Amino acid sequence: GAGVSQSPSNKVTEKGKDVELRCDPISGHTALYWYRQSLGQGLEFLIYFQGNSAPDKSGLPSDRFSAERTGGSVSTLTIQRTQQEDSAVYLCASSLDFGRPQQFFGPGTRLTVL
Amino acid sequence: TQLLEQSPQFLSIQEGENLTVYCNSSSVFSSLQWYRQEPGEGPVLLVTVVTGGEVKKLKRLTFQFGDARKDSSLHITAAQPGDTGLYLCAGEGAGGTSYGKLTFGQGTILTVHP
Repeated sequence: GAGVSQSPSNKVTEKGKDVELRCDPISGHTALYWYRQSLGQGLEFLIYFQGNSAPDKSGLPSDRFSAERTGGSVSTLTIQRTQQEDSAVYLCASSLDFGRPQQFFGPGTRLTVL
Repeated sequence: TQLLEQSPQFLSIQEGENLTVYCNSSSVFSSLQWYRQEPGEGPVLLVTVVTGGEVKKLKRLTFQFGDARKDSSLHITAAQPGDTGLYLCAGEGAGGTSYGKLTFGQGTILTVHP
C-alpha cells in the first residue's frame, strides 16, 4: 500500500480481555517498529523487527505484551489480560531497513481498557 | 537508557509571534529528527539533522543540531494557526544497544490563535 496501515483504528475492551493490534507496513520495508503513546505525549519504544526477527524485546512493558511478524510484512501486537494502564495509542512505523533514520508511521490504534 | 528532554510541554501564542522548542540530552545522537503530529494521525517527519552545528530551514521553520549532537531546537517565525499541532523531537541512537533506535521527547503541544 501507499503508507503504513493499522487496524482497528479504535478498540474498546474490558479489563482482563486479550487484544490484537495489526500493522501493515509499507511494501518493501524490512524494519517495523511498535510504539506506545499516552495522550498528547511522546512515544515509548516497545519493539522492532528486522525481517521476521525481533532482536530487542526489552521495551515491552511486561510479559503480557508480545509481538510477531510473519512473511516479513504484517505484524501483530498482542496484549493479554489487559489492564487500564494499557490504555494508549499504539503506533506502528516502518523503514526501508533498520538503522535508516526515516520511519514512516501509521495512524495508530487507540486502545481503551474499561 | 537515553533520555531526551523536550520543552516547553505546552505553548499557546498569537498568530505572528515567534517561538522556540528545545530538546536536550546528556547523550550523543547520530541524528536528530523533528516530527509533527495531528490528532488521530501518526507523526510525520519534518526534518533530520545529522551534523553537529547543522542548521536546516523549512519555510518559516528553522532546525538546529547542537555542536556536540546532544541537543536541538526548532524555531518558528511568524507562527500561523496552521502550525498548531504536537511537535516531537527524536534522537537516533549512536551505538551499542541504542543503535538505530529512536528516543522521543515528551512533545510540545503548540496552539496558535488567530
